Amino acid sequence: DIQMTQSPSTLSASVGDRVTITCRASQSINNWLAWYQLKPGKAPKLLIFKASDLESGVPSRFTGSGSGTEFTLTISGLQPEDFATYYCQQYNTYWTFGQGTKVEVK
Amino acid sequence: QVQLEESGPGLVKPSETLSLTCTVSGGSISNYYWSWIRRAPGKGLEWIGYIFYSGATRYNPSLMSRVAISVDTSKNQFSLSLTSVSAADTAVYYCARHRSVREMELWGQGTLVTVSS
Repeated sequence: DIQMTQSPSTLSASVGDRVTITCRASQSINNWLAWYQLKPGKAPKLLIFKASDLESGVPSRFTGSGSGTEFTLTISGLQPEDFATYYCQQYNTYWTFGQGTKVEVK
Repeated sequence: QVQLEESGPGLVKPSETLSLTCTVSGGSISNYYWSWIRRAPGKGLEWIGYIFYSGATRYNPSLMSRVAISVDTSKNQFSLSLTSVSAADTAVYYCARHRSVREMELWGQGTLVTVSS
């Protein structure tokens, strides 16, 4: 099994902040990595795929980077609608997720 | 605009079978891979398994002995069956569509299933 370790588990931030979430894979996943946003009562939303490709319709303040086993999601200029929980997911071998990062109001 | 909606009982007794259906509206179920994913309280997301519209399936090895996913193309639906449930199976269950057999580009809102007597 490929394990995904995501950090931090909780992140306190203010509107306008730049926030970074990290995800580490237990082995190389050939950049087959996605990031999702979850909000209560809403359908999860795909933000980034193939480590750094921005999904259509997603604001450009979301950027993904990294390769091999280390990946990051950065939100540049946090907006009120960005307070949510974020998950990384590898899809090199089956699909496994990180434990999630809750971005909360500071 | 394609939408996915999960439906099924919100309460299941221990040792019984959990059954959920995902209805695809605004588009065809054909030519896509479809998955079930769950999120238990206080835990992360867990992929359960997928089905191709043709009926081919693949399951999470940790759940394989208890899971079955089926598809009904005439109804534009696919379904999840999870046998011998316990409290550990209490979760929000999501259905999702894959882009090719890769990332999950479209999700339903999820449905909470509680396992309790």
